[in-house]
Amino acid sequence: DTAVSQTPKYLVTQMGNDKSIKCEQNLGHDTMYWYKQDSKKFLKIMFSYNNKELIINETVPNRFSPKSPDKAHLNLHINSLELGDSAVYFCASSQDLRHYEQYFGPGTRLTVT
Amino acid sequence: AQTVTQSQPEMSVQEAETVTLSCTYDTSESDYYLFWYKQPPSRQMILVIRQEAYKQQNATENRFSVNFQKAAKSFSLKISDSQLGDAAMYFCAYPAVRGSNYKLTFGKGTLLTVNP
Repeated sequence: DTAVSQTPKYLVTQMGNDKSIKCEQNLGHDTMYWYKQDSKKFLKIMFSYNNKELIINETVPNRFSPKSPDKAHLNLHINSLELGDSAVYFCASSQDLRHYEQYFGPGTRLTVT
Repeated sequence: AQTVTQSQPEMSVQEAETVTLSCTYDTSESDYYLFWYKQPPSRQMILVIRQEAYKQQNATENRFSVNFQKAAKSFSLKISDSQLGDAAMYFCAYPAVRGSNYKLTFGKGTLLTVNP
């Protein structure tokens, strides 16, 4: 059983398009995250949600909008895609806000052409 | 500022040998956790080991162990009997405090090559 899953694993799209990445965890965790890994492999948090409530919103353009329909799902919608959005996006989850051990999904490689 | 520094962008080791990856961090907290994650070419992020700062004993997971020096704010990862499957990018991570919230802050990573 996959603990944290993401779809799709690869996404190629053109500038200006809108796309979504879905994430689901079956660990029963309360907290979920989105990270961005750039071409230099640097990982940076974008958002965190706890029980469907937004907790952390780093300095991310408002073209990025996370949505959590329930605590097992955290989706990422990106409007008006730009070349600089090309990266690998990881979803992760942890038991709760104070359990720092995070479990990652397989990542989604987004390529904007 | 709470930062995590990995000073070795790349390391290499011969199969069956031992290698140590360095990590230093900056914090004003007294009780915290530290993590090492591994990212193989498959790009999956895998938790390798964690250390609780209040524990004096260094954490060990099979061939992986840490050398935790709290006063020096140093958290190095030792891989013994290196195997080809250990080749990966290794990230040190620290849950930095931001208000009442915690966010996992990663170092820039060390790319480990294992030579047969």
